[in-house]
Amino acid sequence: ETGVTQSPTHLIKTRGQQVTLRCSSQSGHNTVSWYQQALGQGPQFIFQYYREEENGRGNFPPRFSGLQFPNYSSELNVNALELDDSALYLCASSSRLGGDTGELFFGEGSRLTVL
Amino acid sequence: KNEVEQSPQNLTAQEGEFITINCSYSVGISALHWLQQHPGGGIVSLFMLSSGKKKHGRLIATINIQEKHSSLHITASHPRDSAVYICAVPPFYGGSQGNLIFGKGTKLSVKP
Repeated sequence: ETGVTQSPTHLIKTRGQQVTLRCSSQSGHNTVSWYQQALGQGPQFIFQYYREEENGRGNFPPRFSGLQFPNYSSELNVNALELDDSALYLCASSSRLGGDTGELFFGEGSRLTVL
Repeated sequence: KNEVEQSPQNLTAQEGEFITINCSYSVGISALHWLQQHPGGGIVSLFMLSSGKKKHGRLIATINIQEKHSSLHITASHPRDSAVYICAVPPFYGGSQGNLIFGKGTKLSVKP
């Protein structure tokens, strides 16, 4: 077990709704990265937060937004949900030392279904 | 921007067989990740390597930076090794390790 926890584990929403997913990072880790994994595909990088600031973003629209809190836990918010947002959302924490992040520790994911 | 190709896509092996999964990428990188994903969805980091070879138990990962190629080997495979194995690299050299481009994964099934 990695110590990275995500909630909720499963949820169902309808198109147009908003969702907030949560991730608590492993103790001592100051960087959280979020990924979207559609069924049968590899994960895709959404964005990364380092010390409460967004530090890199993948090819996702602005309706995907995030936050990182002083304790380094993080939230992923998705507004105006679309059917294609149905996916497993994964977060990973790591520790950034000297500019290089280290090994990634993943949570179990939040499976979102949009109807 | 990097592109990642993994092969094979699917692999079925008998218990005890030696297994090799390959990963190729297109742009020079500082480090490559090998990840394991079980049916429930959780991902475990197996290796992060930037050169040479790393070994952990029955797992061995190698990387050839010049050829932009990495392999993951499993010796004496066991049914509990059944999972999807994913290779991931930064989009460019020096990119932060969390910003990764992932392969589509190799689904391994080891039969008893």
